[in-house]
Amino acid sequence: AQSVTQPDIHITVSEGASLELRCNYSYGATPYLFWYVQSPGQGLQLLLKYFSGDTLVQGIKGFEAEFKRSQSSFNLRKPSVHWSDAAEYFCAVGGTTDSWGKLQFGAGTQVVVTP
Amino acid sequence: NAGVTQTPKFRILKIGQSMTLQCTQDMNHNYMYWYRQDPGMGLKLIYYSVGAGITDKGEVPNGYNVSRSTTEDFPLRLELAAPSQTSVYFCASSPRGGSGANVLTFGAGSRLTVL
Repeated sequence: AQSVTQPDIHITVSEGASLELRCNYSYGATPYLFWYVQSPGQGLQLLLKYFSGDTLVQGIKGFEAEFKRSQSSFNLRKPSVHWSDAAEYFCAVGGTTDSWGKLQFGAGTQVVVTP
Repeated sequence: NAGVTQTPKFRILKIGQSMTLQCTQDMNHNYMYWYRQDPGMGLKLIYYSVGAGITDKGEVPNGYNVSRSTTEDFPLRLELAAPSQTSVYFCASSPRGGSGANVLTFGAGSRLTVL
């Protein structure tokens, strides 16, 4: 069965500092990987996705993520965070032909940005 | 360009009451989903549909029912509400087929409290 682990429940980062959110997955084949962001009181917005090809993917809002097959990881990074990046971030995995769109989500990482 | 619209945004129910969460999308997506979000648990799939007249259970279907009479609408019915159904509910949709079926567009969510 597929699963997603986000080891960090909560991260505090200073504005302007770099941010890295960890995501590890368990999956029988090459997965489709996603990062979503949820601002307070809002729905989930897709930040970026990995299907195949270049293992470094660029997303919206200056985020990027790197797929490392050997480590079963898909970590999200941003070089310099802004106060508006305070939100909850979810890693998700999906993709087999019998599970199109039925994503498995991690528990989420809450990001707090301090001045 | 509304995307995925959910109503109501907030609702308080008494134990044993029933209600329907409405979801409609205007993107002509074939696939639709209902997820629930509980603190520290990420999102769990309740039900999904691959097209009008076709629905199937997800990971946590007990206590819920769905129907899909049109491409646009995918209501979620709660029968005999219980405190365990206190949660935030998200409807989502995606296009049919291939890797794109994994790219979900989410509604803004419906916060339900059962007392």
